[in-house]
This record gives sequence, C-alpha cells and structure tokens, in this order.
Amino acid sequence: DVKVTQSSRYLVKRTGEKVFLECVQDMDHENMFWYRQDPGLGLRLIYFSYDVKMKEKGDIPEGYSVSREKKERFSLILESASTNQTSMYLCASSLRVALEAFFGQGTRLTVV
Amino acid sequence: QKEVEQNSGPLSVPEGAIASLNCTYSDRGSQSFFWYRQYSGKSPELIMFIYSNGDKEDGRFTAQLNKASQYVSLLIRDSQPSDSATYLCALTYSGGGADGLTFGKGTHLIIQP
Repeated sequence: DVKVTQSSRYLVKRTGEKVFLECVQDMDHENMFWYRQDPGLGLRLIYFSYDVKMKEKGDIPEGYSVSREKKERFSLILESASTNQTSMYLCASSLRVALEAFFGQGTRLTVV
Repeated sequence: QKEVEQNSGPLSVPEGAIASLNCTYSDRGSQSFFWYRQYSGKSPELIMFIYSNGDKEDGRFTAQLNKASQYVSLLIRDSQPSDSATYLCALTYSGGGADGLTFGKGTHLIIQP
C-alpha cells in the first residue's frame, strides 16, 4: 500500500514564525502536492512538484514556499505564519498526474 | 479556470436506500475522474476512479461517466450509516501540470438509520 506520512498531526505556531510541514511518501511517486482545506472552500492546491527540485505554483501560493530535494520528500514552508494560514494541510502523491492521488493524514495548523 | 461543481448538501438518505451523488465539470479535456470519501477530521481516501464513458461497479459503489454531458456520478447501493461522509469529485486533465488534479468542494452525505 502507498503510504504518505506527514510529520505532525496537530501544530500550534505563533504569528511571524517560520513553519515547516514535512511529507514523505514511500512509493517512488513522481508527483507530490500540497493542499489546504477550509470549510466551504474545499481543497485548494498550494504547490505541486513533478520531480526533484521542480515545482509549480497552484491556486494559492502566496505566503508559502516548497522544497523537494529528494524524490520521497516534499516540504511546505510558511515563511512568516499568519492567522489566516490556520487550516488543515494535506499532502498527496501520485505516480502520474492522470492517476489517483494518495493523501497523508493531514496536519491541522493553528496560528495564534 | 477549470471548474468542478458539486451540490454541497447535506444529502440525506435512509439506510438501505440508494445514494446518488453528482458532479459536473467545465473542461472537455478532462481525462480521468475520481471519487474520494472524507470523514470529518480525516484525509480523503480514494473510492473509485473511471476513465471511460459508461458505468464502473465495485461492490456497493457504481461510478457513471458521461463525457458528452460532462458529468460523473457515484451511486451507493444499500447505504449504511458508515457511508455518512463528504464525497469529493476530482478529475485530471490531459495537459497535466498544476492544473492536472482538480477537486470539487464535496457533497455532505448523511445516511439516516
């Protein structure tokens, strides 16, 4: 089975902090995604990576950056956390874009 | 902007009945279609995928795709209380890239015992 693991299930950070969310997948998938999910807004794509060191902006990249130094690991970085970044963050991976995506367990981030 | 539309619900269905969930999409270049189930506080899990026009059955679940009318649906037969969840429709496009995986906002399904 595909396993996508996010480093934290719950996280509380202070405004202005630099925050790192880590995601690791164990199935040698090419593609990895970071989404945030908010009530009434659904899943919104933040960033997408299709290869090591390659990334593309999604729908809402402002305030975020990403890093993919190894194929299995995709990190989301909040450069200076703000309260409007309080959300559920979901990492996903897929072998190819046309195939299904597998999700991690999610990180519920609260910025105070 | 590629759109995936779902009725947010809640959709309330008696236990044992058929639940019908619908999804429409705007881009005729859509290639692959997926249904995910998401329980409250949990991450989405894949239930079904369908690539070709017609029906695809897996146990109590049937996915239906009509590319000419640009809709995809999910039928759940013999609905159980454990089917109560939010169901997300998702699709990919042949162009790939960051637009390659797009989700609807989901339909909240409630199965009444």
